Amino acid sequence: DQQVKQNSPSLSVQEGRISILNCDYTNSMFDYFLWYKKYPAEGPTFLISISSIKDKNEDGRFTVFLNKSAKHLSLHIVPSQPGDSAVYFCAARVRGSARQLTFGSGTQLTVLP
Amino acid sequence: SAVISQKPSRDICQRGTSLTIQCQVDSQVTMMFWYRQQPGQSLTLIATANQGSEATYESGFVIDKFPISRPNLTFSTLTVSNMSPEDSSIYLCSVEDDRNYGYTFGSGTRLTVV
Repeated sequence: DQQVKQNSPSLSVQEGRISILNCDYTNSMFDYFLWYKKYPAEGPTFLISISSIKDKNEDGRFTVFLNKSAKHLSLHIVPSQPGDSAVYFCAARVRGSARQLTFGSGTQLTVLP
Repeated sequence: SAVISQKPSRDICQRGTSLTIQCQVDSQVTMMFWYRQQPGQSLTLIATANQGSEATYESGFVIDKFPISRPNLTFSTLTVSNMSPEDSSIYLCSVEDDRNYGYTFGSGTRLTVV
């Protein structure tokens, strides 16, 4: 049972446009969500996070939106740059629990110059 | 946040053999986590390693196949034993990130079993 789902395995966007990566979850106990970026031959690196008490968190070009009623979050990248091309993983956890992260299957973002 | 050195970065191994992956952290950490990413799949937690106690394995992973050592608060190893082609994956170690409620990851070990 996949508790965190990224239904789009890939996304292509033109440089300068907006990239929107989506993530759905099923476990209502999740109260903290994170996005990671992964380049080939590297480990995932933390990008941005959001607590369930918020519906938006912004950091530079990156904004994460959380819709708790729909159990849906999205990552917006504006403007997209070729260096953003990577695999993006959505992850979720229950704070105060066993400190485990549950990951989605990832979305390969390609930003075309 | 912590810096993790993981090695080897990649290896090609014969089936039936074993490979030990090492992770060194530049600070003392209570727990270290070992993940596997199979081709096209998500990151799946293999086990949680605490210093001075047996690792805690997730469903579907057993100690005989993935023995883990945690001799001190800065180091851990994961061994992939009696390998088969199905073990071909990226293996990652990680620790909690003090800046957020997420993890810092090592650079990963890309294992190919032939």
